[in-house]
Amino acid sequence: GAGVSQSPSNKVTEKGKDVELRCDPISGHTALYWYRQSLGQGLEFLIYFQGNSAPDKSGLPSDRFSAERTGGSVSTLTIQRTQQEDSAVYLCASSLESRFYVYNEQFFGPGTRLTVL
Amino acid sequence: LAKTTQPISMDSYEGQEVNITCSHNNIATNDYITWYQQFPSQGPRFIIQGYKTKVTNEVASLFIPADRKSSTLSLPRVSLSDTAVYYCLVGRTTSGTYKYIFGTGTRLKVLA
Repeated sequence: GAGVSQSPSNKVTEKGKDVELRCDPISGHTALYWYRQSLGQGLEFLIYFQGNSAPDKSGLPSDRFSAERTGGSVSTLTIQRTQQEDSAVYLCASSLESRFYVYNEQFFGPGTRLTVL
Repeated sequence: LAKTTQPISMDSYEGQEVNITCSHNNIATNDYITWYQQFPSQGPRFIIQGYKTKVTNEVASLFIPADRKSSTLSLPRVSLSDTAVYYCLVGRTTSGTYKYIFGTGTRLKVLA
């Protein structure tokens, strides 16, 4: 594909349910990032993958949040026992391999809008 | 992590030059400065990146003073389509750890 894709584009769920959000990065991009953006707010960093490993999980807001990446490609962000405060747009981005002291442009997907009732 | 501070909003008229300044007083030696643009219901899009002095590309210029405690994004001759939120991002990737923080962004409104 030409860009980063995310699915679903919209997700409405009930409080207490689990949800899975999917991200398909640009082919060849080894770095993958998840962010959260609440209504009218800036971007909150959640987690970063280099290949299949996540060296930095410090941004995950609670242990209800987890993420995995398989085959160095697709990533899934899982939110267990969703709460109303989890309602936000979840954005995924990918970039070429991150090297020390070099910033590689992040390409963002359109996001998944999560609404927890 | 370097915290960034930007104006919350700015208004401008078509054809004017717009300068948006970002403060990052505790920027680290190896931090880069990057700016992104975000339209409603879309993910952010990379505009420009720099380390020091001045960087220019086809859409913008980035001015970084010697002390690097601030940076200014300059948009020449803005049009209505430049209405968006602009984010300043400061940080680096080191030892496999991602250390970047997006600011709260500056909402630019371009008026006819």
